Amino acid sequence: KQEVTQIPAALSVPEGENLVLNCSFTDSAIYNLQWFRQDPGKGLTSLLLIQSSQREQTSGRLNASLDKSSGRSTLYIAASQPGDSATYLCAVNTGGFKTIFGAGTRLFVKA
Amino acid sequence: EAQVTQNPRYLITVTGKKLTVTCSQNMNHEYMSWYRQDPGLGLRQIYYSMNVEVTDKGDVPEGYKVSRKEKRNFPLILESPSPNQTSLYFCASRAGTGENYGYTFGSGTRLTVV
Repeated sequence: KQEVTQIPAALSVPEGENLVLNCSFTDSAIYNLQWFRQDPGKGLTSLLLIQSSQREQTSGRLNASLDKSSGRSTLYIAASQPGDSATYLCAVNTGGFKTIFGAGTRLFVKA
Repeated sequence: EAQVTQNPRYLITVTGKKLTVTCSQNMNHEYMSWYRQDPGLGLRQIYYSMNVEVTDKGDVPEGYKVSRKEKRNFPLILESPSPNQTSLYFCASRAGTGENYGYTFGSGTRLTVV
């Protein structure tokens, strides 16, 4: 059974710092992995989608990597800003109609 | 603008009073899904639909019904809501189930059952 874990559960950093959020999964047979941002009480906004055949994806200050063999993905945020404060979720598509979500990392960027 | 629209955004109801949360997408996506999000439990799938008139149970379907009569709409029905269904609900859609398809989420419906 696929399990998705995100560490740390919460993170507080000063503005301007580069940071890495981690997502691990137990079964390497995945179709893709998607990173989301969620603001308190709001919907999920898709940040990056990495297909199974890809190693990384980039969008602006965000870079996501995928290592299926080790069951890991990382989301790198460069030059963090207070507006980056949110909860970040990773979601693993295991094929068919099943997507497993991690519990999220709550990020706070201090001005 | 490509989007998934849920209504209402907030709803307070009483135990046993039937309610419907609507979900509509304008992207011609085949696949739609409902999730609930609870503190400490994360996102859990309630029901999903592969296309018109094709639906199946997710991980926590008890107490919920769905229908898919049109491709764009996927309403969530609570026939007799109970307080344990108080939660934040999300509708999501995607074009297919292959590796190049990701989810688009609605803004959420916060439901309180008293």
